[in-house]
Amino acid sequence: GAVVSQHPSRVICKSGTSVKIECRSLDFQATTMFWYRQFPKQSLMLMATSNEGSKATYEQGVEKDKFLINHASLTLSTLTVTSAHPEDSSFYICSARQGAGRGGTEAFFGQGTRLTVV
Amino acid sequence: GNSVTQMEGPVTLSEEAFLTINCTYTATGYPSLFWYVQYPGEGLQLLLKATKADDKGSNKGFEATYRKETTSFHLEKGSVQVSDSAVYFCALRSNQAGTALIFGKGTTLSVSS
Repeated sequence: GAVVSQHPSRVICKSGTSVKIECRSLDFQATTMFWYRQFPKQSLMLMATSNEGSKATYEQGVEKDKFLINHASLTLSTLTVTSAHPEDSSFYICSARQGAGRGGTEAFFGQGTRLTVV
Repeated sequence: GNSVTQMEGPVTLSEEAFLTINCTYTATGYPSLFWYVQYPGEGLQLLLKATKADDKGSNKGFEATYRKETTSFHLEKGSVQVSDSAVYFCALRSNQAGTALIFGKGTTLSVSS
């Protein structure tokens, strides 16, 4: 299957700093990318959907000024957690898909990033 | 709105036991249904999928049938192995363009030899 690479896999940062997470589709063009957050022993919660070249659509309750998403190319999306606080500590997962609806590909997932804010 | 409900875990089985993980969904229209697996320390991988009613998805000995009348997509395997130990997520996606997967809470499966 297609490969989605997410980097870094783990990051520890100080409270108040910003952290950037990259998500790359290595062998296909990702028309749409999704960012999820996974809390311990809970499901993946969708944070935002981004289409290449346009602004991301955020889910209700997700602060767009805190979680900055950029999808500048068909192979790269970034999530920047600004002014991180300990409550932002979580597992963040990106997903990429080519096309839309039934005609699109399945969603491929990155390996996830474990963010710890101290 | 759309949602997925799957059975609470953890599920603990002995090797070669039969596995069922229940999943039901709420959705308008005809969503596509998926099972994803997350092995320890790894990202999610698609295990199987079904895109219309009565379709059966299968892979690696796992099966699930899209039942519209009961809005269910239960995961089954006849004989589990230790290597099947992982977290299993049921998910759906509506057929609207650009929509994301909606996941259940995940079920942890632990298989002992």
